[in-house]
Amino acid sequence: SQELEQSPQSLIVQEGKNLTINCTSSKTLYGLYWYKQKYGEGLIFLMMLQKGGEEKSHEKITAKLDEKKQQSSLHITASQPSHAGIYLCGASPGEGAQKLVFGQGTRLTINP
Amino acid sequence: GAGVSQSPRYKVAKRGQDVALRCDPISGHVSLFWYQQALGQGPEFLTYFQNEAQLDKSGLPSDRFFAERPEGSVSTLKIQRTQQEDSAVYLCASSSGTVTEAFFGQGTRLTVV
Repeated sequence: SQELEQSPQSLIVQEGKNLTINCTSSKTLYGLYWYKQKYGEGLIFLMMLQKGGEEKSHEKITAKLDEKKQQSSLHITASQPSHAGIYLCGASPGEGAQKLVFGQGTRLTINP
Repeated sequence: GAGVSQSPRYKVAKRGQDVALRCDPISGHVSLFWYQQALGQGPEFLTYFQNEAQLDKSGLPSDRFFAERPEGSVSTLKIQRTQQEDSAVYLCASSSGTVTEAFFGQGTRLTVV
Protein backbone atom coordinates (compact mmCIF):
# COMPACT_ATOMS: atom_id res chain seq x y z
CA SER A 1 0.00 0.00 0.00
CA GLN A 2 1.09 3.55 -0.58
CA GLU A 3 2.65 5.51 2.26
CA LEU A 4 3.36 9.21 2.48
CA GLU A 5 6.11 10.54 4.71
CA GLN A 6 6.13 14.22 5.63
CA SER A 7 9.09 16.13 6.97
CA PRO A 8 9.56 17.82 9.26
CA GLN A 9 6.82 16.67 11.64
CA SER A 10 6.82 20.07 13.26
CA LEU A 11 8.32 23.39 12.39
CA ILE A 12 8.69 26.65 14.29
CA VAL A 13 9.71 29.70 12.30
CA GLN A 14 9.87 33.40 12.92
CA GLU A 15 7.36 35.56 11.14
CA GLY A 16 8.71 36.72 7.81
CA LYS A 17 10.95 33.71 7.26
CA ASN A 18 10.65 31.23 4.39
CA LEU A 19 10.03 27.54 4.98
CA THR A 20 9.65 24.25 3.12
CA ILE A 21 7.67 21.11 3.93
CA ASN A 22 8.36 17.87 2.09
CA CYS A 23 6.17 14.91 1.21
CA THR A 24 7.73 11.67 -0.06
CA SER A 25 5.82 8.72 -1.45
CA SER A 26 6.77 5.07 -1.49
CA LYS A 27 5.12 4.75 -4.93
CA THR A 28 4.45 6.87 -8.00
CA LEU A 29 1.95 9.60 -7.27
CA TYR A 30 -1.15 9.77 -9.46
CA GLY A 31 -2.27 13.00 -7.89
CA LEU A 32 -0.78 14.92 -4.98
CA TYR A 33 -2.96 17.18 -2.85
CA TRP A 34 -1.96 19.69 -0.22
CA TYR A 35 -4.41 20.58 2.56
CA LYS A 36 -4.23 22.86 5.57
CA GLN A 37 -5.95 22.07 8.86
CA LYS A 38 -6.43 24.29 11.87
CA TYR A 39 -6.91 22.63 15.24
CA GLY A 40 -10.42 21.31 15.64
CA GLU A 41 -11.40 22.10 12.08
CA GLY A 42 -11.71 20.34 8.78
CA LEU A 43 -9.26 20.33 5.92
CA ILE A 44 -8.93 23.26 3.54
CA PHE A 45 -7.83 22.38 0.01
CA LEU A 46 -4.72 24.28 -1.11
CA MET A 47 -3.43 22.78 -4.35
CA MET A 48 -3.37 19.67 -6.50
CA LEU A 49 -0.46 18.51 -8.66
CA GLN A 50 -0.60 15.77 -11.25
CA LYS A 51 2.19 16.10 -13.77
CA GLY A 52 5.87 15.47 -13.15
CA GLY A 53 7.69 18.77 -12.75
CA GLU A 54 4.46 20.66 -12.15
CA GLU A 55 4.53 23.76 -9.97
CA LYS A 56 1.60 25.80 -8.68
CA SER A 57 1.41 28.95 -6.59
CA HIS A 58 -1.31 30.59 -4.56
CA GLU A 59 -0.49 33.83 -2.81
CA LYS A 60 2.73 33.07 -0.91
CA ILE A 61 2.49 29.29 -1.11
CA THR A 62 4.18 27.30 -3.88
CA ALA A 63 3.91 23.55 -4.36
CA LYS A 64 6.07 21.42 -6.65
CA LEU A 65 5.96 17.81 -7.80
CA ASP A 66 9.26 16.26 -8.87
CA GLU A 67 9.82 14.74 -12.29
CA LYS A 68 9.63 11.19 -10.99
CA LYS A 69 6.32 11.99 -9.25
CA GLN A 70 7.41 10.59 -5.91
CA GLN A 71 8.16 13.74 -3.96
CA SER A 72 6.44 17.06 -3.45
CA SER A 73 7.43 20.19 -1.59
CA LEU A 74 5.40 23.06 -0.21
CA HIS A 75 7.21 26.35 0.14
CA ILE A 76 5.93 29.39 2.03
CA THR A 77 7.57 32.73 1.42
CA ALA A 78 7.62 35.48 4.05
CA SER A 79 5.54 33.50 6.54
CA GLN A 80 2.69 35.16 8.45
CA PRO A 81 0.77 34.14 11.58
CA SER A 82 -2.15 33.15 9.32
CA HIS A 83 0.02 30.39 7.85
CA ALA A 84 0.11 28.55 11.17
CA GLY A 85 -1.62 25.17 11.22
CA ILE A 86 -1.15 21.58 10.15
CA TYR A 87 -0.21 20.90 6.55
CA LEU A 88 -1.19 17.56 5.09
CA CYS A 89 -0.24 15.97 1.81
CA GLY A 90 -2.61 13.43 0.32
CA ALA A 91 -2.37 11.20 -2.71
CA SER A 92 -4.49 8.88 -4.78
CA PRO A 93 -3.32 5.29 -4.25
CA GLY A 94 -3.93 4.50 -7.90
CA GLU A 95 -5.05 6.05 -11.14
CA GLY A 96 -8.73 6.85 -10.93
CA ALA A 97 -8.92 5.98 -7.24
CA GLN A 98 -11.40 8.10 -5.36
CA LYS A 99 -9.96 7.90 -1.86
CA LEU A 100 -6.87 9.68 -0.58
CA VAL A 101 -3.96 8.42 1.48
CA PHE A 102 -2.56 11.14 3.77
CA GLY A 103 0.78 11.84 5.35
CA GLN A 104 0.95 12.32 9.10
CA GLY A 105 0.99 16.10 8.80
CA THR A 106 3.44 18.90 9.57
CA ARG A 107 2.57 21.26 12.41
CA LEU A 108 3.68 24.79 11.58
CA THR A 109 4.03 27.45 14.27
CA ILE A 110 4.82 31.06 13.39
CA ASN A 111 6.44 33.15 16.10
CA PRO A 112 5.87 36.90 15.92
CA GLY B 1 -25.92 24.88 2.97
CA ALA B 2 -22.69 26.58 2.06
CA GLY B 3 -20.43 23.75 3.11
CA VAL B 4 -20.26 20.23 4.50
CA SER B 5 -21.96 20.11 7.88
CA GLN B 6 -21.27 17.48 10.50
CA SER B 7 -23.08 16.85 13.77
CA PRO B 8 -22.53 16.62 16.57
CA ARG B 9 -19.23 18.52 16.72
CA TYR B 10 -18.29 16.71 19.93
CA LYS B 11 -19.50 13.41 21.33
CA VAL B 12 -18.51 11.68 24.55
CA ALA B 13 -19.58 8.06 24.74
CA LYS B 14 -19.18 5.46 27.43
CA ARG B 15 -17.39 2.33 26.34
CA GLY B 16 -19.91 -0.09 24.89
CA GLN B 17 -22.36 2.61 23.83
CA ASP B 18 -23.55 2.97 20.22
CA VAL B 19 -23.04 6.31 18.44
CA ALA B 20 -24.30 7.85 15.20
CA LEU B 21 -22.46 10.63 13.41
CA ARG B 22 -24.20 12.68 10.75
CA CYS B 23 -22.88 14.32 7.60
CA ASP B 24 -24.78 16.79 5.43
CA PRO B 25 -22.82 17.15 2.18
CA ILE B 26 -22.89 20.09 -0.17
CA SER B 27 -26.13 19.99 -2.13
CA GLY B 28 -25.74 18.11 -5.40
CA HIS B 29 -22.44 16.44 -4.55
CA VAL B 30 -22.58 12.82 -5.63
CA SER B 31 -19.45 11.61 -3.85
CA LEU B 32 -19.16 11.35 -0.09
CA PHE B 33 -16.20 10.16 1.96
CA TRP B 34 -15.65 9.33 5.63
CA TYR B 35 -12.20 9.55 7.20
CA GLN B 36 -10.93 8.83 10.71
CA GLN B 37 -8.20 11.04 12.15
CA ALA B 38 -6.42 9.96 15.31
CA LEU B 39 -4.65 12.57 17.40
CA GLY B 40 -1.44 13.73 15.73
CA GLN B 41 -2.02 11.65 12.60
CA GLY B 42 -3.30 12.27 9.11
CA PRO B 43 -6.83 11.23 8.16
CA GLU B 44 -7.37 7.60 7.23
CA PHE B 45 -9.97 6.56 4.68
CA LEU B 46 -12.99 4.68 5.97
CA THR B 47 -15.58 4.50 3.21
CA TYR B 48 -16.84 6.10 -0.02
CA PHE B 49 -20.31 6.59 -1.48
CA GLN B 50 -21.36 7.55 -4.96
CA ASN B 51 -24.94 8.70 -4.53
CA GLU B 52 -26.55 5.99 -2.37
CA ALA B 53 -24.15 3.24 -3.40
CA GLN B 54 -21.32 2.40 -1.04
CA LEU B 55 -18.55 1.66 -3.53
CA ASP B 56 -15.64 1.23 -1.16
CA LYS B 57 -15.72 0.27 2.51
CA SER B 58 -12.25 -1.17 2.66
CA GLY B 59 -11.17 1.25 5.39
CA LEU B 60 -13.80 0.37 7.98
CA PRO B 61 -11.75 -1.06 10.86
CA SER B 62 -14.25 -3.64 12.04
CA ASP B 63 -17.82 -4.85 11.66
CA ARG B 64 -18.76 -2.46 14.47
CA PHE B 65 -18.53 0.36 11.95
CA PHE B 66 -21.39 0.87 9.54
CA ALA B 67 -22.15 3.72 7.14
CA GLU B 68 -25.21 4.50 5.08
CA ARG B 69 -26.47 7.10 2.67
CA PRO B 70 -29.97 5.86 1.85
CA GLU B 71 -31.17 8.74 -0.33
CA GLY B 72 -27.88 9.78 -1.79
CA SER B 73 -27.59 12.90 0.33
CA VAL B 74 -27.19 12.80 4.13
CA SER B 75 -24.90 10.09 5.44
CA THR B 76 -24.63 8.50 8.86
CA LEU B 77 -21.62 6.71 10.29
CA LYS B 78 -22.62 4.36 13.08
CA ILE B 79 -20.25 2.77 15.55
CA GLN B 80 -21.58 -0.02 17.71
CA ARG B 81 -20.21 -1.00 21.11
CA THR B 82 -17.65 1.81 21.11
CA GLN B 83 -14.16 1.12 22.41
CA GLN B 84 -11.44 3.50 23.56
CA GLU B 85 -9.47 3.04 20.35
CA ASP B 86 -12.43 4.51 18.45
CA SER B 87 -11.64 7.92 19.97
CA ALA B 88 -10.76 10.16 17.04
CA VAL B 89 -12.03 12.94 14.83
CA TYR B 90 -14.36 11.65 12.13
CA LEU B 91 -14.23 13.75 8.97
CA CYS B 92 -16.75 13.79 6.17
CA ALA B 93 -15.99 15.14 2.70
CA SER B 94 -18.10 15.57 -0.40
CA SER B 95 -17.30 16.26 -4.01
CA SER B 96 -19.03 16.71 -7.31
CA GLY B 97 -17.14 13.80 -8.78
CA THR B 98 -13.40 13.89 -8.45
CA VAL B 99 -11.29 13.88 -5.31
CA THR B 100 -9.69 17.15 -6.26
CA GLU B 101 -12.94 18.94 -5.59
CA ALA B 102 -13.53 17.37 -2.17
CA PHE B 103 -14.69 19.73 0.56
CA PHE B 104 -14.29 18.65 4.16
CA GLY B 105 -16.58 19.24 7.11
CA GLN B 106 -15.28 20.38 10.49
CA GLY B 107 -15.42 16.87 11.85
CA THR B 108 -16.93 15.16 14.87
CA ARG B 109 -14.57 14.62 17.78
CA LEU B 110 -15.51 11.33 19.46
CA THR B 111 -14.15 10.56 22.89
CA VAL B 112 -14.84 7.13 24.35
CA VAL B 113 -14.45 6.96 28.13
